[in-house]
Amino acid sequence: QKEVEQDPGPLSVPEGAIVSLNCTYSNSAFQYFMWYRQYSRKGPELLMYTYSSGNKEDGRFTAQVDKSSKYISLFIRDSQPSDSATYLCAMKKVTSYDKVIFGPGTSLSVIP
Amino acid sequence: NAGVTQTPKFRVLKTGQSMTLLCAQDMNHEYMYWYRQDPGMGLRLIHYSVGEGTTAKGEVPDGYNVSRLKKQNFLLGLESAAPSQTSVYFCASSYDENTEAFFGQGTRLTVV
Repeated sequence: QKEVEQDPGPLSVPEGAIVSLNCTYSNSAFQYFMWYRQYSRKGPELLMYTYSSGNKEDGRFTAQVDKSSKYISLFIRDSQPSDSATYLCAMKKVTSYDKVIFGPGTSLSVIP
Repeated sequence: NAGVTQTPKFRVLKTGQSMTLLCAQDMNHEYMYWYRQDPGMGLRLIHYSVGEGTTAKGEVPDGYNVSRLKKQNFLLGLESAAPSQTSVYFCASSYDENTEAFFGQGTRLTVV
């Protein structure tokens, strides 16, 4: 079993829809949770960064962490064609020698 | 502000050939990383550096070597390329292990 699982998609939604992207993980030691957005043929860029459980909102984006279920989500409201990209979840333990573990990514297309 | 710059962007190698990928960052970051990205596998850490003159192994270091002679540069070497090293390689840098990692635009390497 991989440490971080993510449905690869592709996910296709109409413009304006609410998008839900999810990751599950197996190691309860993860404390830092991140979402990266990667446009085609570009490097990933950080979208959201949360520590431990709870919600974090930034504009149209909301990141949610449920540590009891080992489940994290990214919600995109009023999705736009410019949101079409691959979304990578990532997570890290607290100890400094543990590095970030990335999920395989979910491909999202927002259709005008 | 260039951020993280990778050279070259594309390369085709024959099995057994060697090459060096160059990563340069202008953000004065201490930490630098080399990842490979393969379909369905997510980003996997090859090697990383926590400062000038230091290097350490990541998740998939076999077949690669690195050097960090200058703080702003992190070199990834393939001594004898194999078809299994066909991948997209990303360099990243960060201020420390718990802050945002900034990625380069990637190098697409094909080994035939």
